Amino acid sequence: DARVTQTPRHKVTEMGQEVTMRCQPILGHNTVFWYRQTMMQGLELLAYFRNRAPLDDSGMPKDRFSAEMPDATLATLKIQPSEPRDSAVYFCASGASGGRAYNEQFFGPGTRLTVL
Amino acid sequence: AQSVAQPEDQVNVAEGNPLTVKCTYSVSGNPYLFWYVQYPNRGLQFLLKYITGDNLVKGSYGFEAEFNKSQTSFHLKKPSALVSDSALYFCAVRAPYGQNFVFGPGTRLSVLP
Repeated sequence: DARVTQTPRHKVTEMGQEVTMRCQPILGHNTVFWYRQTMMQGLELLAYFRNRAPLDDSGMPKDRFSAEMPDATLATLKIQPSEPRDSAVYFCASGASGGRAYNEQFFGPGTRLTVL
Repeated sequence: AQSVAQPEDQVNVAEGNPLTVKCTYSVSGNPYLFWYVQYPNRGLQFLLKYITGDNLVKGSYGFEAEFNKSQTSFHLKKPSALVSDSALYFCAVRAPYGQNFVFGPGTRLSVLP
């Protein structure tokens, strides 16, 4: 069955290193969301794409985070340089749009990032 | 601005008893409302949604939710809880023509055998 995939599932890195997380949305879905989940902050929206164009990245720290969709089958979230406070689980979700705001999102399994 | 509140951080219920997980929302216009469940070390899974029409919505795994416009609530319910229902539950809202989903803080449900 169709599902959102994310790689890597786990990443341990040292402060200052670059981290790239990848997401493959469900085929045919044209909206992609990136979320960050922590115990303290809960689920935070980082970025939102529709038809590969970024519509909202106001939740993302601009100085170190960047999100792109090089093509319809790949979304990337990059952190450079990484900091210990970036340690969290990062989720990608995709959905079908076409003007239907009632379509639900489908979440990937997440990338658990630990920055030492 | 949209917002979602889940007033209980934790809900404990005995297996076989009915369960309710509460959600209230604030949004301009008629809302689209969603419930998701998250099991440990997993992504969120869609349970059910309210778009329009019947206020009682039925979803996966025997869950249902009741939309109450006057109380701006969308409580999740199940007539008979299972231990396997123990998980983190998120309520979410999206405004018509809205771009973003707004998620509540989550409620941890523990079903005790």
